[in-house]
Amino acid sequence: DAGVIQSPRHEVTEMGQEVTLRCKPISGHNSLFWYRQTMMRGLELLIYFNNNVPIDDSGMPEDRFSAKMPNASFSTLKIQPSEPRDSAVYFCASSWDTGELFFGEGSRLTVL
Amino acid sequence: GQNIDQPTEMTATEGAIVQINCTYQTSGFNGLFWYQQHAGEAPTFLSYNVLDGLEEKGRFSSFLSRSKGYSYLLLKELQMKDSASYLCAVRKEGNRDDKIIFGKGTRLHILP
Repeated sequence: DAGVIQSPRHEVTEMGQEVTLRCKPISGHNSLFWYRQTMMRGLELLIYFNNNVPIDDSGMPEDRFSAKMPNASFSTLKIQPSEPRDSAVYFCASSWDTGELFFGEGSRLTVL
Repeated sequence: GQNIDQPTEMTATEGAIVQINCTYQTSGFNGLFWYQQHAGEAPTFLSYNVLDGLEEKGRFSSFLSRSKGYSYLLLKELQMKDSASYLCAVRKEGNRDDKIIFGKGTRLHILP
């Protein structure tokens, strides 16, 4: 299996621009998680899906953040408009029934 | 809410043993994970405890006491490649599905 695939690996953008991060989970997994990691705050859960349905989005910082999972093999995390404080590494992870998480390699976002 | 505490940094010597502690306070506890994360990489799964006691896996062991809200990760025969961050994560029951919340991690430095 190819593992969890995230794109882009690196993104540098200017404040106010829209950012879209993409994730393809491992085939057969039914849970998908979006995390954000910074030195100060560690690995924070933003939102997670079960069977493509958003279960808990209480970690999404504000309305500028949105996430979708239109089918079992694809999810997006969108930030519009982006701000410098959104700079972080964004990880997508998938699992079967919230068991062991398999992480993608992360998308490193820098907002100037 | 939930609170997961672990030391920020630890240092140990190659060949020695180190114990990394994690304490947690959460409602709906449903298991505890340990993950390893090398600098610039994604977290990878080490262990999962749902019942009290010690789980051994090669050089790594993980212990859980649910009544005390306490876990530790024990690393034996330390090698230089064990220099990494170690993340404690709690599986928490939700209304519709469980979610996984991470502590901020313990950065482990191995000295030759």
